[in-house]
Amino acid sequence: SYEVTQPPSVSVSPGQTARITCSGDTLPKQYTYWYQQKPGQAPVLLIYKDSERLSGIPERFSGSSSGTTVTLTISGVQAEDEADYYCQSADSDDTYSVFGGGTKLTVL
Amino acid sequence: QVTLRESGPALVKPTQTLTLTCTFSGFSLSTDEVCVSWIRQPPGKALEWLALIDWDDDKYYSASLRTRLTISKDTSKNLVVLTMTNMDPVDTATYYCARTSRDTGDGFDVWGQGTMVTVSS
Repeated sequence: SYEVTQPPSVSVSPGQTARITCSGDTLPKQYTYWYQQKPGQAPVLLIYKDSERLSGIPERFSGSSSGTTVTLTISGVQAEDEADYYCQSADSDDTYSVFGGGTKLTVL
Repeated sequence: QVTLRESGPALVKPTQTLTLTCTFSGFSLSTDEVCVSWIRQPPGKALEWLALIDWDDDKYYSASLRTRLTISKDTSKNLVVLTMTNMDPVDTATYYCARTSRDTGDGFDVWGQGTMVTVSS
């Protein structure tokens, strides 16, 4: 079955830039979506269609794509950004969705 | 305001069939390009997409769980139902329903709060 891969963890100090990657063979052809999930809460959509920021999401969150890798960038990381982040995409036939394994962002 | 709420049993026994209901408001599942999916998350683990039903009543399932899942909708009552057969302890998870719409493509822009299901004898 199709998979997308994320690093398990990323650590940054407050004010620095965090980059979380998502890799998969179909990512050049399929859009990627990014979610933030805090403990005990449902995920929240941050970025859709690779780089579009959902209304109400702070500008420090951005998305980009290059080949088989898509990146969520958090500029000027704040303590409140500590959370799990998931990417989501689709298989080449667009018949099912797939989530990455999640990346735990730690703000040091 | 768009909302979704999951409901169903908190505890099921192994081999039983789980039936979950997603009741939503603020949108119609007969509107073009609107879909509702079910997604689950075992404790401490990653999200897993399960199934999707779209405005045209087309249905899509996770390849690994296809034989156990059935998704359906009642547009007049604003609800989507997921059944999962032959439940096993590994199916213990929080089950979410979520919406996709034309604006955000395949992105789940609104989620329910989730319902925790434990599979145990």
